[in-house]
Amino acid sequence: AQSVSQHNHHVILSEAASLELGCNYSYGGTVNLFWYVQYPGQHLQLLLKYFSGDPLVKGIKGFEAEFIKSKFSFNLRKPSVQWSDTAEYFCAVNSGGYNKLIFGAGTRLAVHP
Amino acid sequence: GAGVSQSPSNKVTEKGKDVELRCDPISGHTALYWYRQRLGQGLEFLIYFQGNSAPDKSGLPSDRFSAERTGESVSTLTIQRTQQEDSAVYLCASSLDFFGDKINEQFFGPGTRLTVL
Repeated sequence: AQSVSQHNHHVILSEAASLELGCNYSYGGTVNLFWYVQYPGQHLQLLLKYFSGDPLVKGIKGFEAEFIKSKFSFNLRKPSVQWSDTAEYFCAVNSGGYNKLIFGAGTRLAVHP
Repeated sequence: GAGVSQSPSNKVTEKGKDVELRCDPISGHTALYWYRQRLGQGLEFLIYFQGNSAPDKSGLPSDRFSAERTGESVSTLTIQRTQQEDSAVYLCASSLDFFGDKINEQFFGPGTRLTVL
C-alpha cells in the first residue's frame, strides 16, 4: 500500500530561519505530489503541487518543493520563515486513478518572532 | 456557495448512537471526497463520489460507515453504532472531476469534529 512519511512532527524556528520539511512516499510509479497547509482555525489549503516537468515547484508565500524521484522525496523549503507561517503542513500523494490523496501525518511548525 | 461547508462543526454523541455528517461541496464540483483525521495523525481517505456514484469506497473502515450523495451536490456520511475509536475530525473535499491524467485541486471544508463518549 502507498504511504507517505513526514519525518518531523514538530518544528520550532525563529523568524528568518530557513525551513525544510521532509516528505517521502512509497509508491514507485507515476505520482502527483502535493503540500497542503492548515493555518490555525482555517481550512486545509493547497500550498503547491507537482504533476510533471520541472522538479522544482514554486508555491504560494515563497514556498518551494523539490521532487527527487530517485529518493522518493518531495521536501518543502522556504529560505526565510515568518511568524505567519505557523501552521500544520501535510504532504500528500496521488497515483493511479481518481484524485484520492494519501496524506502524511503532518508537521506542526511554530515560528517565534 | 463560495467554499465547501460542513455541518455540524462539532458533534458529541454517546457510544452506540448513530450520527450523520453533512457536506455541501462547491457548486459545479462533481467529485467529492470524505477523509478522517484522528488526533495526531494524517488524513485517511474514506470514500470518493463521482456524481452520485461512489467508485471508490475502499477507505470505509467498517460496515458501520456509509455515505450517499444526492443531486450531485450534498453528501451525508453516516456512522451507525458509534464507537470511541470513531472520534476524529471528518473532512470533506470537492473538486472538478478527475479526467484522464489530469488531477484537479481538492478544496477542503472546515471539518466536523466528532467525539464519541
